[in-house]
Amino acid sequence: GAVVSQHPSRVICKSGTSVKIECRSLDFQATTMFWYRQFPKQSLMLMATSNEGSKATYEQGVEKDKFLINHASLTLSTLTVTSAHPEDSSFYICSARFGGISEAFFGQGTRLTVV
Amino acid sequence: GDSVTQMEGPVTLSEEAFLTINCTYTATGYPSLFWYVQYPGEGLQLLLKATKADDKGSNKGFEATYRKETTSFHLEKGSVQVSDSAVYFCALSDIGNQFYFGTGTSLTVIP
Repeated sequence: GAVVSQHPSRVICKSGTSVKIECRSLDFQATTMFWYRQFPKQSLMLMATSNEGSKATYEQGVEKDKFLINHASLTLSTLTVTSAHPEDSSFYICSARFGGISEAFFGQGTRLTVV
Repeated sequence: GDSVTQMEGPVTLSEEAFLTINCTYTATGYPSLFWYVQYPGEGLQLLLKATKADDKGSNKGFEATYRKETTSFHLEKGSVQVSDSAVYFCALSDIGNQFYFGTGTSLTVIP
């Protein structure tokens, strides 16, 4: 099946710094990528949807200037958490899909801890 | 708007017990339906899918049937194993390219 690689799997950063998370589709061209945040009670919150070459569409309540999403190519999307604070600590997951296929393929997730 | 409602957990079963996790959906069109599984510390893996009414998705002993009349996609397995312990997510994908997930159901299978 299609493979989506997310990096890093874990990151610890200091409050006020920025962290970049990469999401790569390894064996297909992802026309659409999704970024989710997963809370302790397991629910997945969709943060934004991005299509290659265009600006990401953010869900209501998600700060665009804090969570910068770039989908520069058909195989790479990045999420940058700017000026991170402890409340940004969470599990972030990306997923990708390509035209003609209904399902999405998920990365392994990134555990972000802001201290 | 589209949404997915999933049975609350956690669910604890003994090995070889029968599993059902209920999932119902609301959609304006004809969505595709999915079950994803998440093992501890990992991302989500597609377990099975169904793209039209009356389709049955199956994988690793798990099954789910797309029931348009009851807007349901319940996950079942006849005999669970300890290795099935994970969190299960029901999801739908609509024509607008969005994915909608249920809240997840944690399953623990004890020997």
